[in-house]
Amino acid sequence: GAGVSQTPSNKVTEKGKYVELRCDPISGHTALYWYRQSLGQGPEFLIYFQGTGAADDSGLPNDRFFAVRPEGSVSTLKIQRTERGDSAVYLCASSTNYGTEAFFGQGTRLTVV
Amino acid sequence: DAKTTQPTSMDCAEGRAANLPCNHSTISGNEYVYWYRQIHSQGPQYIIHGLKNNETNEMASLIITEDRKSSTLILPHATLRDTAVYYCIPWPAARQLTFGSGTQLTVLP
Repeated sequence: GAGVSQTPSNKVTEKGKYVELRCDPISGHTALYWYRQSLGQGPEFLIYFQGTGAADDSGLPNDRFFAVRPEGSVSTLKIQRTERGDSAVYLCASSTNYGTEAFFGQGTRLTVV
Repeated sequence: DAKTTQPTSMDCAEGRAANLPCNHSTISGNEYVYWYRQIHSQGPQYIIHGLKNNETNEMASLIITEDRKSSTLILPHATLRDTAVYYCIPWPAARQLTFGSGTQLTVLP
C-alpha cells in the first residue's frame, strides 16, 4: 500500500497477557518510529529505528516493552505482562531518513481488561 | 529541547482563513518548524515544514518570523474537514518528534 499500515486496528487483551503490534512502513523508508497516545494527550515517543537498529529507545516506559525491526522494514512492538495502564493507541510512523517528514499509520487501539 | 506555546483552542468560520500561531523562542539554528495535525481518531498528518523562509504547499502556508521565534500556519480557506488538533514541532533535535498539547481548531459552518 501507499501508506503506513498497522495491524491489528484494535486489540483487546487480558491483564498479564503478551501482545504484539505490527507496523508496515512505507516502502523504502529507513526511519521508523513508535508512539503511544493516551486519551486527550498528544502522541508520546517510544522508540526510533534507523534501518534494523534501534537508534533511540529512550521513550520505552519499562522493560516490558520491546520492539524489533529485523530486516529494516516491518517492525513489531511487543508488550509483556500487559497492565491496564498500557491501554492506549499505539502509532507507527516512517520517514525516508531521520529528520524528514514522518508519515503516520492509523494506529492500533490496545485495551487491557 | 525547544519548547512551544500554542493556544489551546481556536474557532474559524468555514471558508475563512485560519491562522494558527506558535511560539518557539528557544528553537535552535538547525531545527526546522514542523506542523502536523490530528483529526479525531486518526494518526497525525504531516502538513508543512520550514527553516527560515516562508513555505507554501497544497495544504497550507507557513510564515516564520525573521528571528525564528514564532511561526503561523495559515489554512487559506478552512473547511469543516480541517477541524483537528494542530501541532507545531521544532525538529530534528536531540530528542525525537515531540508532540505537545497543540491547538484544537474547530471550523464552524
